[in-house]
Formats: sequence, structure tokens, C-alpha cells
Amino acid sequence: SYELTQSPSVSVSPGQTARITCSGDALPKRFAYWYQQKSGQAPVLVIYEDNKRPSGIPERFSGSSAGTMATLTISGAQVDDEADYYCYSSDSSGNQEVFGGGTKLTVL
Amino acid sequence: EVQLVESGGGLVQPGGSLRLSCAASGFTFSSYSMTWVRQAPGKGLEWVANINQGGGDKYYVDSVKGRFTVSRDNAKNSLYLQMNSLRAEDTAVYYCARRAEGYWGQGTLVTVSS
Repeated sequence: SYELTQSPSVSVSPGQTARITCSGDALPKRFAYWYQQKSGQAPVLVIYEDNKRPSGIPERFSGSSAGTMATLTISGAQVDDEADYYCYSSDSSGNQEVFGGGTKLTVL
Repeated sequence: EVQLVESGGGLVQPGGSLRLSCAASGFTFSSYSMTWVRQAPGKGLEWVANINQGGGDKYYVDSVKGRFTVSRDNAKNSLYLQMNSLRAEDTAVYYCARRAEGYWGQGTLVTVSS
């Protein structure tokens, strides 16, 4: 079955740039989506279709994708950005979807 | 305002069945594919199933194939997940979602335990 691979944790100081990566063989053909989930809450979409930001999401959140890797970048991370971040995409057929294992972002 | 409200969760014994519902409002339900996602306690998100706008195309994660069935009633603006032969590992919060646009319900907890 198709898998998306994320590193388990990323840690930055406030104001620094946080980069969270997601690797998958089908990413050259399929869009990546990024979700933020804070403890006890439903996920919030922060990036869709590789690099588009939904309304209401701060400009410090950006996305990119090159080859088999998608990247979520948080420029000038804030303490409020501490959360689990999940990438989301599909296999090459587009029929089987999958979340990455999640990356815990610590900002302190 | 887009709203998705799940219901039907609860405690069920292993081998039992449960039917989850998701009531949609604030958008033209029949125009969107829909998704079920689950999250086991303390674990990550797991895609469970998709259904297309008309209900004719359905896709499932391997671990639920043959046990779960996704369906929809566009006249009632409702999405369903029929879960049979439930196992302890199906214990999770189940969310319905328009995942590509980022609309999620609040989730409903399913606990499979004797």
C-alpha cells in the first residue's frame, strides 16, 4: 500500500523557519495537502494543491513540491504554531488516499 | 456556512456493527465527493473511504475493505459509513470531511470493546 513519510518531530525557536517534509513516490503526479492539528481539535487545512493557502491561513505558511518530496514551510514560526502537521495525498491512480505519519512541531 | 455533523458513534462489542451518519449543510452536497477519516486514540490520521458525487465510485483503505461500506443520500444531504465485523483496532474518532477544501466535522467516537 502507498505510504507518505514524514519525520516524527521538528523543533525551532520562535521566529525561526520550520520546514516539514513529506516524501512519496506519487508526489510528482499528485497534489499534496497539509493539515495542522492541535490537541483535541479537528484538523485544519493550511496548504492545498501543493502551494495554495486557504483564506484565513497566515502568510507565514507556504508549501512547495519537487520530485518525490513536498515541503511545508512556516516562516517566522510562533508558539501558537505548535501542533501536529500531516501531509495528505493519493497514490498514482488517485483512488487510494493516505496521510503521512505526522510531524510534531515544537516552537520554544 | 459549511457544516458537517457526525453521529452514530458509541460502544460496540467486537464483531458488532455500527452505522455512522454525517449531516451536511451550507453547500450543494451532491456536487462534492466526500471522505471518512479516523484517528485512533493518541495516533495519527487515517484515511478510511471516499465516495464520489453520485455515489457510484467508492474507495477504501485496505484494512476496512469488505467490512465497511460508504454511501450517501444526496436528497437528504447525508453521508454514511456502515461498519460491520468491528475490531478493537477500529476504535477511533471518525470524521466526515470535504478533505480537499478543508471542511471537517467534529468527529464521533467509536469504541470497540467487550
